[in-house]
Amino acid sequence: GAVVSQHPSWVICKSGTSVKIECRSLDFQATTMFWYRQFPKQSLMLMATSNEGSKATYEQGVEKDKFLINHASLTLSTLTVTSAHPEDSSFYICSALGVAKDYEQYFGPGTRLTVT
Amino acid sequence: KNEVEQSPQNLTAQEGEFITINCSYSVGISALHWLQQHPGGGIVSLFMLSSGKKKHGRLIATINIQEKHSSLHITASHPRDSAVYICAAYTGTASKLTFGTGTRLQVTL
Repeated sequence: GAVVSQHPSWVICKSGTSVKIECRSLDFQATTMFWYRQFPKQSLMLMATSNEGSKATYEQGVEKDKFLINHASLTLSTLTVTSAHPEDSSFYICSALGVAKDYEQYFGPGTRLTVT
Repeated sequence: KNEVEQSPQNLTAQEGEFITINCSYSVGISALHWLQQHPGGGIVSLFMLSSGKKKHGRLIATINIQEKHSSLHITASHPRDSAVYICAAYTGTASKLTFGTGTRLQVTL
């Protein structure tokens, strides 16, 4: 149990376009999901905390208008990178906290975004 | 100084060796994850523990809350264990994780 999926697993887009990444908890409900960004050979950096039915809480230095997060249901959160630029190229990882599991984060497999 | 420190940063071992990766933290925590990430891959949670010891196959994780220290041990290491191992601690509210910088393990034949 406790499987989290991400879609797509990789995406290439042109500069100026927007890209949406989905994070789903497949076998449990998640009131809270986290979005992370990882640069090569670095650890995960928390971007924002996504709570079902409310606005996301962004970490300092993360542009909320650039990285739009929507957590519309207990099993789905989306991250939209708007007007993407090459510097947005990165590995984006989500994790989910279960309603019943309330403490442990379960990680998705990640989405590799390349902006050309 | 990071709240969560790992050592060593890089580790090379020969197949079959016993491996230990250490994690120490400077703040109070409620629990700690050991995570594994293969090159180009996603994050896999190996253990979450708040006290004592857990074992899964060749992997053993221990934590000493009083000493603010956790270790991950790999017995009879194998090249497929080559990965980055990250400790991450629940250090505050809202179930956020604070990550160590990771230990890059290379197991050779």
